[in-house]
Amino acid sequence: DIVMTQSPDSLAVSLGERATINCKSSQSVLDSSNNKNYLAWYQQKAGQPPKLLIYWASTRESGVPDRFSGSGSGTDFTLTISSLQAEDVAVYYCQQYYSSLSITFGQGTRLQIK
Amino acid sequence: EVQLVESGGGLVQPGGSLKLSCAASGFTFSGSAMHWVRQASGKGLEWVGRIRTKVNKYATGYAASVNGRFTISRDDSKNTVFLEMNSLKSEDTAVYYCTNSNWHWGQGTLVTVSS
Repeated sequence: DIVMTQSPDSLAVSLGERATINCKSSQSVLDSSNNKNYLAWYQQKAGQPPKLLIYWASTRESGVPDRFSGSGSGTDFTLTISSLQAEDVAVYYCQQYYSSLSITFGQGTRLQIK
Repeated sequence: EVQLVESGGGLVQPGGSLKLSCAASGFTFSGSAMHWVRQASGKGLEWVGRIRTKVNKYATGYAASVNGRFTISRDDSKNTVFLEMNSLKSEDTAVYYCTNSNWHWGQGTLVTVSS
C-alpha cells in the first residue's frame, strides 16, 4: 500500500495568516501517461463528512474558496490556506487514488486558530 | 446536486451481519465507480472497497482488513450501492460513508459492533 504521511499533526495559525499542510507519499502518485497526480485534499469539520477541496493535486473543487490551493508532484504535496478564516477550523486529510485497489489517506492534520 | 444517502447502520453483535445501502442522485450513477470509506470515532479515514461500472464488469476491490468478509454490490436500476458485512468484529465499529468516483460523500451511517 502507498503510505501517506502528513505534517504537522496539528497546527495553530492566527486569523488572516497562512496555513500550510504537507503530505508525503511513500511512492509516486504521478501517472506519467497523463501527467496527473492522483492526490486529493479534504476538509472535515466536527460531526460532518469529509468535503473535497482539491483533486489532481491542484484543481480546486467547484465552490471552494480560492484561498485554498494545492501544489506538488510525485511524492510531495502541500495544501495552503492563504488567509485563515474562522470557518477553516477543521481536520484536513490528503488521499491518494493512484492505486485504485488500495486507496489510502493521510492521518489528518488538525487546524486551529491561534 | 449530488446526493448520497446511506442507511442500514445499527447495533450488531460480534460475528453478526449487516447490509448497508447508499442511494444516489444528481449524477450518472451507472457511469461512476462507487466506494465505501469508514471512520472510527475520533480516528482517520479508512478506504473499505469499491465497485466499478458495468463496462468494467462491476469489478470489486477491498481493503485487506475486510477482504473475504465484506461484499460490495450495486443496482444501477435503483441508483443504489450496497455493502454487505459479515463476521463483524468490534474493530469494524465506525461511521460508513459511500462516495462516488468524483469523491462526493454521503452523511454516513453508524455501525456499532458490540455485545
